[in-house]
Amino acid sequence: EAGVAQSPRYKIIEKRQSVAFWCNPISGHATLYWYQQILGQGPKLLIQFQNNGVVDDSQLPKDRFSAERLKGVDSTLKIQPAKLEDSAVYLCASSQIGSGRAGNEQFFGPGTRLTVL
Amino acid sequence: GIQVEQSPPDLILQEGANSTLRCNFSDSVNNLQWFHQNPWGQLINLFYIPSGTKQNGRLSATTVATERYSLLYISSSQTTDSGVYFCAPLYNQGGKLIFGQGTELSVKP
Repeated sequence: EAGVAQSPRYKIIEKRQSVAFWCNPISGHATLYWYQQILGQGPKLLIQFQNNGVVDDSQLPKDRFSAERLKGVDSTLKIQPAKLEDSAVYLCASSQIGSGRAGNEQFFGPGTRLTVL
Repeated sequence: GIQVEQSPPDLILQEGANSTLRCNFSDSVNNLQWFHQNPWGQLINLFYIPSGTKQNGRLSATTVATERYSLLYISSSQTTDSGVYFCAPLYNQGGKLIFGQGTELSVKP
């Protein structure tokens, strides 16, 4: 079974530029998550989708970050404009069933390492 | 807010040694996962354990949900066990995992 796929693996941009990350979850997984991991810390949830609807985006900086999952499968996370403090690894995860329910094991992709100069 | 504390923050072992990593959490949980983040940054699922004990080879985990802690045991450690170990409880009010700060393990040959 293929795992969660992400691209690109690495990205370097100047501050105030825009960037987009792509994620393809495990086939059949209804729920998709984007996490941000700053160096030396644990991942922190940015946004959670169930199918193509947003379940939780309370930690997403909506003035500069946006995400979509139009057909309920793959997803794109965008930052525009980027700031220095956005330098981090952006991890995508997926799970088979919906939020808050037993059996909701999450599986992570390899991440995209973003450096903002 | 919800607190997840892991200890110790850092651990250095000689190959072959055993270790116990601890995770305390501040609220009742729906479930809990343990991950190993390898030096390339990949989060690898170790255990999905809301309560009780599970074993997988040299690793085992125990969660005592009523006392709000979980333990990860590593026996006969190998250099490939090096990396950061995260626990991440899943709370009833939503589907997100709340990660601790991690335990950075270094196993020396």
